[in-house]
Amino acid sequence: AQSVTQLDSHVSVSEGTPVLLRCNYSSSYSPSLFWYVQHPNKGLQLLLKYTSAATLVKGINGFEAEFKKSETSFHLTKPSAHMSDAAEYFCVVSVYNQGGKLIFGQGTELSVKP
Amino acid sequence: DSGVTQTPKHLITATGQRVTLRCSPRSGDLSVYWYQQSLDQGLQFLIQYYNGEERAKGNILERFSAQQFPDLHSELNLSSLELGDSALYFCASSVGSYTDTQYFGPGTRLTVL
Repeated sequence: AQSVTQLDSHVSVSEGTPVLLRCNYSSSYSPSLFWYVQHPNKGLQLLLKYTSAATLVKGINGFEAEFKKSETSFHLTKPSAHMSDAAEYFCVVSVYNQGGKLIFGQGTELSVKP
Repeated sequence: DSGVTQTPKHLITATGQRVTLRCSPRSGDLSVYWYQQSLDQGLQFLIQYYNGEERAKGNILERFSAQQFPDLHSELNLSSLELGDSALYFCASSVGSYTDTQYFGPGTRLTVL
């Protein structure tokens, strides 16, 4: 079975400092992995996705994630946080051979302090 | 704006009632997905349709049903509503499935009183 685990339910950073949101995955197959962001009272927006091409994936708004098979991790990073980055972030895996079914992690709430 | 539309934005109803949520996918997308987001269960996949046919099923209750029409819009029907069905219901669409990016609508917030 495939699953994702977000290691932190809440992360707080100061504006201008780096962001690290951690995600571990479990998959018997080569996974397709995504990070989505949800701003308050908004829908979900795709930040980036990994589909077995380059292991370092660049996304929107300066975010990037590195797929590390040996560590079964797909951590999301950003060099410098902005106030507008405050939101809920979800690490997501696409289930192999089940259409487009996505399995979401529990989410990490990112707070950015001035 | 993802291009996926959902109506209504908010729905307040009573236990035992039946409601219908509607989703219009992005132009050109053949797949429609339904997800439920609640505080206790998080975001859970309910069901996927591809070009009118059911493609994948998740933890969808028997009281819930969905369909995708020839014009590709989809409806999620929730019946015999319970307090625990209160949640945010998202629709997403993609061109095909599996590795394709899913674009999410703004959601319908359902409150069951």
